[in-house]
Amino acid sequence: NAGVTQTPKFRILKIGQSMTLQCTQDMNHNYMYWYRQDPGMGLKLIYYSVGAGITDKGEVPNGYNVSRSTTEDFPLRLELAAPSQTSVYFCASSNRMNTEAFFGQGTRLTVV
Amino acid sequence: AQSVTQLDSQVPVFEEAPVELRCNYSSSVSVYLFWYVQYPNQGLQLLLKYLSGSTLVKGINGFEAEFNKSQTSFHLRKPSVHISDTAEYFCAVSSSLTSGGYQKVTFGTGTKLQVIP
Repeated sequence: NAGVTQTPKFRILKIGQSMTLQCTQDMNHNYMYWYRQDPGMGLKLIYYSVGAGITDKGEVPNGYNVSRSTTEDFPLRLELAAPSQTSVYFCASSNRMNTEAFFGQGTRLTVV
Repeated sequence: AQSVTQLDSQVPVFEEAPVELRCNYSSSVSVYLFWYVQYPNQGLQLLLKYLSGSTLVKGINGFEAEFNKSQTSFHLRKPSVHISDTAEYFCAVSSSLTSGGYQKVTFGTGTKLQVIP
């Protein structure tokens, strides 16, 4: 049972570079989420999706983009990396909104 | 707007001692409440949840929490902690909407539990 899988686990980017954080889940969940976690700040919702083809902004969407072409995959795109995007990113999924969420192991991103 | 407050950023406690991690939320309507645990370098996993019914909720690893509507609290407790309980604990809330349904979950800032041998 893989659950929610994120790749890569670690990444260092230079300012202005772009990258995609991958997320896939094998639980057939309709709802998927991207959060960022900064020390002392808890988790902030970046984007979420209620099903394939449907995405919406969370609290802190600026500088990010997402797509949801399949139920399983929910990649997060950073177009022009900035130092403020240095963070730990978590992908999560749930079978309904606001029920138990299952989290991936996170991607630690540093922008220098 | 809903919010959740975890006043204690760090809680040190000796092994086999009891612990209480505090969580208060701001909402005057129906709520769903959650506690998640995050072990070092891992994602979050659900400890327990309150959706409705009994106000005393039991979770995994011997943890329990009590929903107190009058005090808008959902404190997490364990009668005897182990070294393996060292982790960060997050409280989370989702409030009902007047238009129906529930808001997206809001997480607290976390409490680091440090169990001392």
